[in-house]
Amino acid sequence: GAVVSQHPSRVICKSGTSVKIECRSLDFQATTMFWYRQFPKQSLMLMATSNEGSKATYEQGVEKDKFLINHASLTLSTLTVTSAHPEDSSFYICSARLIGQMNTEAFFGQGTRLTVV
Amino acid sequence: GQNIDQPTEMTATEGAIVQINCTYQTSGFNGLFWYQQHAGEAPTFLSYNVLDGLEEKGRFSSFLSRSKGYSYLLLKELQMKDSASYLCAVRDGTGANNLFFGTGTRLTVIP
Repeated sequence: GAVVSQHPSRVICKSGTSVKIECRSLDFQATTMFWYRQFPKQSLMLMATSNEGSKATYEQGVEKDKFLINHASLTLSTLTVTSAHPEDSSFYICSARLIGQMNTEAFFGQGTRLTVV
Repeated sequence: GQNIDQPTEMTATEGAIVQINCTYQTSGFNGLFWYQQHAGEAPTFLSYNVLDGLEEKGRFSSFLSRSKGYSYLLLKELQMKDSASYLCAVRDGTGANNLFFGTGTRLTVIP
């Protein structure tokens, strides 16, 4: 199956700093990538949809100025958590779909465990 | 809005059969997915239903009834490694065809 690589897998940062998470589709192109957040023992919550070459679409309640998304190419989307606070500590996961394959499953990255201290 | 419900936790015995239910109320529908997720890892795809009926894939089967907004995942011949969270996700069929996830069911398989 298609491979999505997410980096870093773990990151610890100080409160007030920014953290960038990368999501790459390794063997396919993706015009759309999705960013999710998952708190302990809870399910995945869609944060935003990342569209190549255009602005991301954010879900209600997600601050676009805090969670900056850039989808500069067909294989790379980045999520930057700006001015991170301890409450931003969570598991962040990206997913991507094959171009033109609207009805196939999404392929997930390995996830990034963010801890803000 | 999207509302997807699953039991929070289930326990079953090794070798047995377990059924995990999922009910949904969404603004649109374009398929239902089941994913398996081990703690601290990304979800892995198990099954996809878009038409009513049963889809079988080895030890795993998934059923869908669109009129009832209901699906289940059936796991047969349970193994210890099946202990994980099982996530029901619905594609809403609008815009980017977003996937919305249920709360997940944490399954514990005991000897």
